Amino acid sequence: ETGVTQTPRHLVMGMTNKKSLKCEQHLGHNAMYWYKQSAKKPLELMFVYNFKEQTENNSVPSRFSPECPNSSHLFLHLHTLQPEDSALYLCASSAPGTGEPEAFFGQGTRLTVV
Amino acid sequence: AQSVSQHNHHVILSEAASLELGCNYSYGGTVNLFWYVQYPGQHLQLLLKYFSGDPLVKGIKGFEAEFIKSKFSFNLRKPSVQWSDTAEYFCAVKTYGQNFVFGPGTRLSVLP
Repeated sequence: ETGVTQTPRHLVMGMTNKKSLKCEQHLGHNAMYWYKQSAKKPLELMFVYNFKEQTENNSVPSRFSPECPNSSHLFLHLHTLQPEDSALYLCASSAPGTGEPEAFFGQGTRLTVV
Repeated sequence: AQSVSQHNHHVILSEAASLELGCNYSYGGTVNLFWYVQYPGQHLQLLLKYFSGDPLVKGIKGFEAEFIKSKFSFNLRKPSVQWSDTAEYFCAVKTYGQNFVFGPGTRLSVLP
């Protein structure tokens, strides 16, 4: 248990579907992140939110749409995905500028696009 | 742009062998350094971190890492590995005002 909870753990969706990934943390952190982890590739940072404001969009296609309604919740809305978007999507949170600079990761959502 | 490199893509060791995984980063300023481990099917969890102070950092499960500023390195070590250490290991760096940058990972396979 990391303090960062992601749902669902597994998701299979067609290319025309719309789905959302959810991330929740109650660690009091003010920064939240979405990462994509594909086989044989480094972790790819997708989006960063600091105090609910998006501060980074790492050239992510518009078929991925993040939402951060409050500092504890982060969503990733998915629509018209491609098979190459199949990957493990990781959420993380951190408390920048404090004595605990590390990121805490969720278990991830294993996404398969068919 | 900052970058993190890890020397080995896949390391295979027998139980009780010593381990050293290399990590180098490119940034000349003050850094926070991390090693994360990802066991099969599990989330990334923090092994150890360097924030400031003693450059030799001890982490969980008998791991340690040494920050050598002159070499821009933060190598991970363990004197005697176990089969349960089989996992993927990620080095990461964070500087003030910047995001985490992760290395590509090193897969460790420990043979019983």
